[in-house]
Amino acid sequence: QVQLQESGPGLVKPSETLSLTCTVSGGSVSSHYWSWIRQPPGNKLEWIGYIYYSGSTNYNPSLKSRVTISIDTSRNQFSLKLSSVTAADTAVYYCARGPTVTTGGAFDIWGQGTMVTVSS
Amino acid sequence: EIEMTQSPATLSVSPGERATLSCRASQSVSSNLAWYQQIPGQAPRLLIYGASTRATGIPARFSGSGSGTEFTLTISSLQSEDFAVYYCQQYNNWPPDTFGQGTKLEIK
Repeated sequence: QVQLQESGPGLVKPSETLSLTCTVSGGSVSSHYWSWIRQPPGNKLEWIGYIYYSGSTNYNPSLKSRVTISIDTSRNQFSLKLSSVTAADTAVYYCARGPTVTTGGAFDIWGQGTMVTVSS
Repeated sequence: EIEMTQSPATLSVSPGERATLSCRASQSVSSNLAWYQQIPGQAPRLLIYGASTRATGIPARFSGSGSGTEFTLTISSLQSEDFAVYYCQQYNNWPPDTFGQGTKLEIK
C-alpha cells in the first residue's frame, strides 16, 4: 500500500529556510494531490499547501509568501521549503495524500511526521 | 477563513459506552467535513469524509452525521484503542482547509 516518509533537518536556525522531502512508496506521485500539514506542539493541525503532479500548487494564504512546494516525479518525491522561519514555525510536519477524487478535500494517507525545531 | 469549533475539549467515557463528539463550523461547509483520530505520537488517521462516509478499513462503530454547520462523530461502543484525540476538518471553503482544535477522548 502507499506509504509516505518525511525527511530533513530537525533543527533550523531563525531566518533560515526549512527544507523537507516526502518520499512516496507503494504508489506513484504522478496521480492525486500531495499536501504538507503541520502541528505546533500542543496545537491544532494547519494545512500548508498542496501540489499536483503537473506542478500546480495551492498554498495557505497565511504562509503563501514563504512557502514553496515542488515535486520530482522521477524520484517519486515532493518537497517543502519554508523561508524566513521563526520559533512559531516549530512543529511536527506531516506529508499527506490529498485532496483526492474519492475523499474530496480529506487527507487519506499520512507520513509519520517529522519534528522541526527553530532555534539558534 | 472558516472557524471550526469542537466540543467538548475533553470527554471522559467508560469502555463499552457510546461517545458523541461535536464540531461546529462558523459558516456552512455543506457536507465537506472529515474526522480524524490521532493517537499521541502518531499521525492523524482519516475516519470519516463527506461528513458520513467511513474511510477504508474504519470499523462500523464509527459514524458521522450532520451537514451545514453542525456535525457529530459517534463511537458506538468504545474500545481501548479508541481513546485518542479527534479532529474535524472542513474542506468546503479553501484555501485554506481548516481543522478544529480537537477533542480528547479519555478513559473514565
